[in-house]
Amino acid sequence: EAGVAQSPRYKIIEKRQSVAFWCNPISGHATLYWYQQILGQGPKLLIQFQNNGVVDDSQLPKDRFSAERLKGVDSTLKIQPAKLEDSAVYLCASSLDVALGQFFGPGTRLTVL
Amino acid sequence: KQEVTQIPAALSVPEGENLVLNCSFTDSAIYNLQWFRQDPGKGLTSLLLIQSSQREQTSGRLNASLDKSSGRSTLYIAASQPGDSATYLCAVNTGNQFYFGTGTSLTVIP
Repeated sequence: EAGVAQSPRYKIIEKRQSVAFWCNPISGHATLYWYQQILGQGPKLLIQFQNNGVVDDSQLPKDRFSAERLKGVDSTLKIQPAKLEDSAVYLCASSLDVALGQFFGPGTRLTVL
Repeated sequence: KQEVTQIPAALSVPEGENLVLNCSFTDSAIYNLQWFRQDPGKGLTSLLLIQSSQREQTSGRLNASLDKSSGRSTLYIAASQPGDSATYLCAVNTGNQFYFGTGTSLTVIP
């Protein structure tokens, strides 16, 4: 069974530029999560999708961050414009059922200069 | 709001030692609890998942316990190996959301 795929693995941009991350969840997993993990901290949930609908985006900085999951499968997370404090690892996870836990992709390490 | 704490933040042990990692949470109304391993620059790898009705789960040299009433979970690693060096995170699932601790960074010295 293929795991959660993410791309790119690394990205370096200047502040005020825009960037997009892509995630393809495990086949059949209806729930998809985007997390931000700052160095030395645990992952913080940015947005949770159930199929193509948003379940929770309460911690998503909506003035600069956006995410979509148009066909209920893969998803993109965008930052525009980026700030220095957005430097972090962006993790995507998916879940078939909350009782079965969640499974993570390799993450995208973003550095904003 | 659920708060998850992991102590210690870092731990260094000699190879072969048995060790215990701790995870505590403030609200006992949880659905399940998941332990993860994270290697530097990598994503999270699921180790064990304990449902709220369970007391423990075992996988190889790993054993996770859950005491929901006291808001605690422990991850026991037997006969530690250098390859076990990583950051270990616990995540509490309330049924609506997962709350993560900040992790314990483990170093096993050969």
